[in-house]
Amino acid sequence: AQKVTQAQTEISVVEKEDVTLDCVYETRDTTYYLFWYKQPPSGELVFLIRRNSFDEQNEISGRYSWNFQKSTSSFNFTITASQVVDSAVYFCALKGHIFGTGTRLKVLA
Amino acid sequence: ETGVTQSPTHLIKTRGQQVTLRCSSQSGHNTVSWYQQALGQGPQFIFQYYREEENGRGNFPPRFSGLQFPNYSSELNVNALELDDSALYLCASSLGGPIQETQYFGPGTRLLVL
Repeated sequence: AQKVTQAQTEISVVEKEDVTLDCVYETRDTTYYLFWYKQPPSGELVFLIRRNSFDEQNEISGRYSWNFQKSTSSFNFTITASQVVDSAVYFCALKGHIFGTGTRLKVLA
Repeated sequence: ETGVTQSPTHLIKTRGQQVTLRCSSQSGHNTVSWYQQALGQGPQFIFQYYREEENGRGNFPPRFSGLQFPNYSSELNVNALELDDSALYLCASSLGGPIQETQYFGPGTRLLVL
C-alpha cells in the first residue's frame, strides 16, 4: 500500500522560532515525486515544492528548507524564523495524489 | 492565484439529490484532478482526466463521475448524495497527464448535504 503519514496533528510555536514538520511515506515504486502544499484558512492549496526521488539533495528556498532521506522514507519540511503568516495546514503528498492528513501550524505573535 | 476557478463556491443539497461541480483549468493545462477533503482530513483523490479521458481513479463509488471538455475544463457529478458527501471539493490542473506534475489547485466548492 502507498501512504503518507504526518504524525504531528498540530504544532504551536512562537514567532521567530524554527519548526520542522515531519512526513513519512510508503511506496514500493523506485521512482516517484514528493510534494508539500500549504492550505491557509481560505482553503486553496498552495504548491511549495516538488522533489524527485532520485534527488536527495536538501533544498532551501528563503525561510523554507526540505530534508529528503530515501533511506528512512522521510521528507521533512523546516520553516526558519517562523512568522504569523505561516499559520496554515501543511500537507505532504506522494506522487501528487496521495496526501497525508496534514499538520496544522499555529504561529503565535 | 493559480488561475484555476471552481463554481459554485458553496452549495447546499439534500440527501438523494444530484450535484454538478465545475472547474476551469489553468491556461495550457490538459489534466484535471478532483479531490474530496472532509473536515480535518487530507484531500482524497477521486479521479483524474487527461485529454478528455479518465486517467486514474481513487476509491470512490461509481456515483462519482466526471467529464473533461475539449477546452480542458471539467465537471464532477455526484448522484444520490449522502450525508458523508459533505466536504470541500478541490479541483487541480496540471500539464502532463500521468506524469507526476505539479498540480495547481482551485479555491474549492464547499458542499453541504442535509
